[in-house]
Amino acid sequence: GNSVTQMEGPVTLSEEAFLTINCTYTATGYPSLFWYVQYPGEGLQLLLKATKADDKGSNKGFEATYRKETTSFHLEKGSVQVSDSAVYFCALNSNQAGTALIFGKGTTLSVSS
Amino acid sequence: GAGVSQTPSNKVTEKGKYVELRCDPISGHTALYWYRQSLGQGPEFLIYFQGTGAADDSGLPNDRFFAVRPEGSVSTLKIQRTERGDSAVYLCASSLEMNTEAFFGQGTRLTVV
Repeated sequence: GNSVTQMEGPVTLSEEAFLTINCTYTATGYPSLFWYVQYPGEGLQLLLKATKADDKGSNKGFEATYRKETTSFHLEKGSVQVSDSAVYFCALNSNQAGTALIFGKGTTLSVSS
Repeated sequence: GAGVSQTPSNKVTEKGKYVELRCDPISGHTALYWYRQSLGQGPEFLIYFQGTGAADDSGLPNDRFFAVRPEGSVSTLKIQRTERGDSAVYLCASSLEMNTEAFFGQGTRLTVV
């Protein structure tokens, strides 16, 4: 079945450090891939997405490239800020009729000044 | 309101009791999803509605869980004979249609004592 595996946290960084959160997936067909973020005390919100191989999703300085050959969708940011502290979830949608988003377990990022 | 609204935000109930959790999706969104999130885990899919009908209920853990969406808008997740293991945050999301961006509510934290 479809699944998402992301690196376990917590990830602790200093401000302006480079961030990578790894995500790999298993899916049949051609899934769409997403990163969602959950800031403290807030609901899940979409951070970025990519719908086909080699697409790059980007938002708020974060980027992720859909790599079909390695079944990966790693999240990166060149210079993190304290305000980026949150839980990040990788997710996929298989795009098959009647299916919903499948999430990874989440990675907690803590950025200190 | 502008976003997905879930009520109550917190619910404490005794083991064996019946509970109902409500979700008001974004107006006009035809797809509605319920997820359950346990501590330290990613959201786990429960059920998905397209309009009034349940398009996929394969995530419901057992027959104590049931959800309805009678008019294609508000949805209610119903849990009978609650158990301590049902304690989690129950998330609702809606999207304009299947496979478009899903918007999440803040969740209902259910605690079974």
